[in-house]
Amino acid sequence: DGGITQSPKYLFRKEGQNVTLSCEQNLNHDAMYWYRQDPGQGLRLIYYSQIVNDFQKGDIAEGYSVSREKKESFPLTVTSAQKNPTAFYLCASSIGGTPTYTDTQYFGPGTRLTVL
Amino acid sequence: GENVEQHPSTLSVQEGDSAVIKCTYSDSASNYFPWYKQELGKRPQLIIDIRSNVGEKKDQRIAVTLNKTAKHFSLHITETQPEDSAVYFCAASRFGGYNKLIFGAGTRLAVHP
Repeated sequence: DGGITQSPKYLFRKEGQNVTLSCEQNLNHDAMYWYRQDPGQGLRLIYYSQIVNDFQKGDIAEGYSVSREKKESFPLTVTSAQKNPTAFYLCASSIGGTPTYTDTQYFGPGTRLTVL
Repeated sequence: GENVEQHPSTLSVQEGDSAVIKCTYSDSASNYFPWYKQELGKRPQLIIDIRSNVGEKKDQRIAVTLNKTAKHFSLHITETQPEDSAVYFCAASRFGGYNKLIFGAGTRLAVHP
């Protein structure tokens, strides 16, 4: 999981602003994921991408957007439409599952976003 | 919908004791069950996982057991050490077009010297 990086580590945003969180991996993984973590809760899936130029909504996609133009990069934009964006955001990647095998996800170090 | 329940939410043990964390899942098609350890402010790290074709897996002081009939799985840590103190998350997933992990809410484990 050392091959997954996220930046910045801390991010402060004013209400009404869009911000973009970076996620890069050099593991040659096909699949990438974005999760949100709130205190006392498990991780919730925002978006995922199985392959370049393709991505799907997860369980809490409203107010977020992503792109997957390169295999190694999966940036997340938190838009002003996200009503409660203060959280810890985690990016993950995996080799890419198949219909008969579920692969392991490895996490980046996270970005803590605070809305002022 | 799919759901994973995790208990207890907090667990306090003395150094050297054993700790057990239990999870139940709702989707009977789930067949992959990882456990992650997360220290404060850090990334979750995979510590052990089990697939549905086995009932138990062990790695040094850590073991996971799976009961597919009852739809629950457990993490066992023996001879606990202060560095085991962290939040532990279970998750469940199933084969398919993509690897969707459903996470439990986490257990905060405190190991007291």
